[in-house]
Amino acid sequence: EAGVTQSPTHLIKTRGQQVTLRCSPISGHTSVYWYQQALGLGLQFLLWYDEGEERNRGNFPPRFSGRQFPNYSSELNVNALELEDSALYLCASSLAQGGRQPQHFGDGTRLSIL
Amino acid sequence: GEDVEQSLFLSVREGDSSVINCTYTDSSSTYLYWYKQEPGAGLQLLTYIFSNMDMKQDQRLTVLLNKKDKHLSLRIADTQTGDSAIYFCAGQTGANNLFFGTGTRLTVIP
Repeated sequence: EAGVTQSPTHLIKTRGQQVTLRCSPISGHTSVYWYQQALGLGLQFLLWYDEGEERNRGNFPPRFSGRQFPNYSSELNVNALELEDSALYLCASSLAQGGRQPQHFGDGTRLSIL
Repeated sequence: GEDVEQSLFLSVREGDSSVINCTYTDSSSTYLYWYKQEPGAGLQLLTYIFSNMDMKQDQRLTVLLNKKDKHLSLRIADTQTGDSAIYFCAGQTGANNLFFGTGTRLTVIP
């Protein structure tokens, strides 16, 4: 069974640019979560999508947004990139949220802002 | 708010047992998780425990939960060099997202 896949694996951008990160969940999983792992800040929850709807959002500015497609894959968009957005962005998926199912993570996209 | 604390570093000799500890503040977490992160990789789900359990064993891994003290531990028996990684404790909020500790870097000395 394929795990959570994320693309691209690495990305280099400059301040002010925009970026789109992609995530494909494990087959059968309907919930997708995004987390940011920045140096010195640890792992922080960004967004949760389930059945195409945004269900919860972490303490991040509106320039962080995303969506979930009918096939349950997801995109994370970050506008007006800032230096502090440099981080590993991790996507996780789980079965339907009703049962508090464990989240399984991909290998992440490493975003570097110059 | 939710807070999870872990010690930053742990060194053990190959073949010994490792015990990684975690304390948390949110007693409403239904599940508590242990994840492993190797260099350059994402998070690997190791094991998890339901909040009404005291202990869970899975091969070399033993999880102990003390709800009264809000203390969670992960014991790795017969630690191997391949176990060297960062280990994260995580709770799950009512809003379904995970909140993580700072991670414990386990170094296994051959």
